[in-house]
Amino acid sequence: NAGVTQTPKFQVLKTGQSMTLQCAQDMNHNSMYWYRQDPGMGLRLIYYSASEGTTDKGEVPNGYNVSRLNKREFSLRLESAAPSQTSVYFCASSLNRGRQALTQYFGPGTRLTVL
Amino acid sequence: DQQVKQNSPSLSVQEGRISILNCDYTNSMFDYFLWYKKYPAEGPTFLISISSIKDKNEDGRFTVFLNKSAKHLSLHIVPSQPGDSAVYFCAAPLTGGGNKLTFGTGTQLKVEL
Repeated sequence: NAGVTQTPKFQVLKTGQSMTLQCAQDMNHNSMYWYRQDPGMGLRLIYYSASEGTTDKGEVPNGYNVSRLNKREFSLRLESAAPSQTSVYFCASSLNRGRQALTQYFGPGTRLTVL
Repeated sequence: DQQVKQNSPSLSVQEGRISILNCDYTNSMFDYFLWYKKYPAEGPTFLISISSIKDKNEDGRFTVFLNKSAKHLSLHIVPSQPGDSAVYFCAAPLTGGGNKLTFGTGTQLKVEL
């Protein structure tokens, strides 16, 4: 099992460009999440999806869109990248059952730089 | 507004000694807490959790203590090993339903030989 995979690992964008970060999990989890990690800020939730076909905003959703393509895949789109979106992005997944849902499994991250 | 706070950005301990990482929270409605560990260039991994009905949970070298009256939890690592060098995040589920977690800012632990 690969667990949670993310592509790409690194990306450099110019201000105003768009891109999609891809995430897939093979653990048959229902819930999936996107976080960003910034120095001194910890991990902040951008969006999450409790099940296929549903998405909900997290703490910092502005400037992002998400798509839960199927049970396995959850993508994050930046329509018009800004330097403030320079960050490391993590995708995670979990079960939906009670406290088990809080044990989230993370991918290796995508390091994004917006110039 | 940070609901889970880790006020020590870094901690250095000698191999074999105890590491104590601290976390404070502001929301008295939190009823479950988790610790995650993160190595450079990797995603965080779940380490240990505790429910608010307990004041201690132990898993091998790792023990988490919860003091509800002080809204404080701590992670003890005994004995500390060089492989424990990582960033440690405490987290709690956001109130209002769902499986959303709020994380602290992390503490970088360095275990020296």
